[in-house]
Amino acid sequence: DAGVTQSPTHLIKTRGQQVTLRCSPKSGHDTVSWYQQALGQGPQFIFQYYEEEERQRGNFPDRFSGHQFPNYSSELNVNALLLGDSALYLCASSSRHYEQYFGPGTRLTVT
Amino acid sequence: QKEVEQNSGPLSVPEGAIASLNCTYSDRVSQSFFWYRQYSGKSPELIMSIYSNGDKEDGRFTAQLNKASQYVSLLIRDSQPSDSATYLCAPRDDYKLSFGAGTTVTVRA
Repeated sequence: DAGVTQSPTHLIKTRGQQVTLRCSPKSGHDTVSWYQQALGQGPQFIFQYYEEEERQRGNFPDRFSGHQFPNYSSELNVNALLLGDSALYLCASSSRHYEQYFGPGTRLTVT
Repeated sequence: QKEVEQNSGPLSVPEGAIASLNCTYSDRVSQSFFWYRQYSGKSPELIMSIYSNGDKEDGRFTAQLNKASQYVSLLIRDSQPSDSATYLCAPRDDYKLSFGAGTTVTVRA
């Protein structure tokens, strides 16, 4: 049984560029949440998708957007990248309100 | 005031000892609480969930919850070198998890 998968593993972008990160949830899960983790900090909630809709959003600017597909996979898009967007981006999947399981993450470096 | 506060680390314990991790949270509405373990350079791994006041044991881990005091803790018994990691406390607020900064535990042989 495959766990949560994310791609790519690492990414280097330049300020002002746009990036798309992808996530496939664990089998049987229908909910995807995205978190940003800066070095030395706990993960910060970006948003959660359920039934292809954004269900809850954290304190992130509109430059951060997402999408969920009918197969429950999800994308995180970040526009106009800033140096401060450099972080580990984590996708977590769950079944409704139950435990969230994290994928391996995507390490984004903005130069 | 931070939403989730954990005891500052790093916490160094000898092999075989008990590691005690504490967490307080500010949101009285939180009903579900989770502990994650994160090895350096890896993603968080769920190790415990607790929903009711009292203790919950799973192997060498025991989680304790006191909603009235807005306090949750994690005990690691018989600590092993493989327990060396950062432990993250995460109450659930509506649909999101709110994480503390984590407590880094080092188990010395």
